[in-house]
Amino acid sequence: QKEVEQNSGPLSVPEGAIASLNCTYSDRGSQSFFWYRQYSGKSPELIMSIYSNGDKEDGRFTAQLNKASQYVSLLIRDSQPSDSATYLCAVNRSNFGNEKLTFGTGTRLTIIP
Amino acid sequence: GAVVSQHPSRVICKSGTSVKIECRSLDFQATTMFWYRQFPKKSLMLMATSNEGSKATYEQGVEKDKFLINHASLTLSTLTVTSAHPEDSSFYICSAGQVRQPQHFGDGTRLSIL
Repeated sequence: QKEVEQNSGPLSVPEGAIASLNCTYSDRGSQSFFWYRQYSGKSPELIMSIYSNGDKEDGRFTAQLNKASQYVSLLIRDSQPSDSATYLCAVNRSNFGNEKLTFGTGTRLTIIP
Repeated sequence: GAVVSQHPSRVICKSGTSVKIECRSLDFQATTMFWYRQFPKKSLMLMATSNEGSKATYEQGVEKDKFLINHASLTLSTLTVTSAHPEDSSFYICSAGQVRQPQHFGDGTRLSIL
């Protein structure tokens, strides 16, 4: 079992719809969770961080965390073509930004105009 | 604005050349920085953890004599690809974070060895 698992996709979503990206992790001791967006040929860009169970909203993005189920998701409302990218789920055993992250392989999202 | 700066953004050089890549944390001190490599359409691969004032910690399979890391100050880490060959051509990315803050990535360096 991989430490962080994501569906590689590609996931295709019509423009304006909700895109739902999922991630599971194996280490129950994980404390912090992140979603990064990576456009082709570019470096990852942080879009959401979440540390406690429940939902966290930031604009069109909502991160959901369920530690009991070891599951973290990202919802993108009103999807736009500019949201087309690979989304990386990352997990950390601590809340310290100076410790290494464990990444999933990423989900490629395509928003269809 | 960017919190991690990486330079250069692109390097093209001949086989056998050594190439140095710089990673700087802006407006914060980073005792630890991370170096990744990414091949086209592949996942990020952590190469090493750069520790200020001490030796870097390399991931399994990464040659420490090939990829020299120096973390000379709390805001600067460098990765030197020594005697680079075409198979070293890749996208190299650094990241850094602060306590209780997420890590941010530099813009990456695209290395092409002819």
